[in-house]
Amino acid sequence: GAVVSQHPSWVICKSGTSVKIECRSLDFQATTMFWYRQFPKQSLMLMATSNEGSKATYEQGVEKDKFLINHASLTLSTLTVTSAHPEDSSFYICSARVDRVQETQYFGPGTRLLVL
Amino acid sequence: GEDVEQSLFLSVREGDSSVINCTYTDSSSTYLYWYKQEPGAGLQLLTYIFSNMDMKQDQRLTVLLNKKDKHLSLRIADTQTGDSAIYFCAENKIIFGKGTRLHILP
Repeated sequence: GAVVSQHPSWVICKSGTSVKIECRSLDFQATTMFWYRQFPKQSLMLMATSNEGSKATYEQGVEKDKFLINHASLTLSTLTVTSAHPEDSSFYICSARVDRVQETQYFGPGTRLLVL
Repeated sequence: GEDVEQSLFLSVREGDSSVINCTYTDSSSTYLYWYKQEPGAGLQLLTYIFSNMDMKQDQRLTVLLNKKDKHLSLRIADTQTGDSAIYFCAENKIIFGKGTRLHILP
């Protein structure tokens, strides 16, 4: 099946710093990528939908100035957590949509962020 | 609003069948999905079913869809220790249930 990678797989940073997470589709072009956040023992929360070449669409309650999303190419989307705080510590997962008819998403392995 | 509900925990003996249930609210769902999440990992698409189907079987996995009751189930036959994970059902691409943690008893 389609492969999606994320980098880094985990990151520890100090409060106030910014962290960039990359999401790549390795063997296909993804016009749409999604960013999710998952708290421990909870479901995924969609943060934003990222379309190549245009601004991301953020879900209600997600601060777009806090979570910067750039979808620079058909194979790469980045999420930057700006001025990270301990409450931003979470598991961030991206996905890429392969087939517009089936709307199937393939997920990256996730990035675990810990803000000290 | 749209919602997806599933039980949070299921405990099954190795070799038995596991049945994970899910209910959803959006009657316009075209496809419904089952994802598997192993500890500390991302999500893996297990299977999906088109809304005009009642059943789909894929090796040990059987998906049943009752569109009238908006009920979806995933049956795992001959459950193995490697099946221990959290299983998420999802509808219309972006609405996920809270996940069912499947625990395998020896």
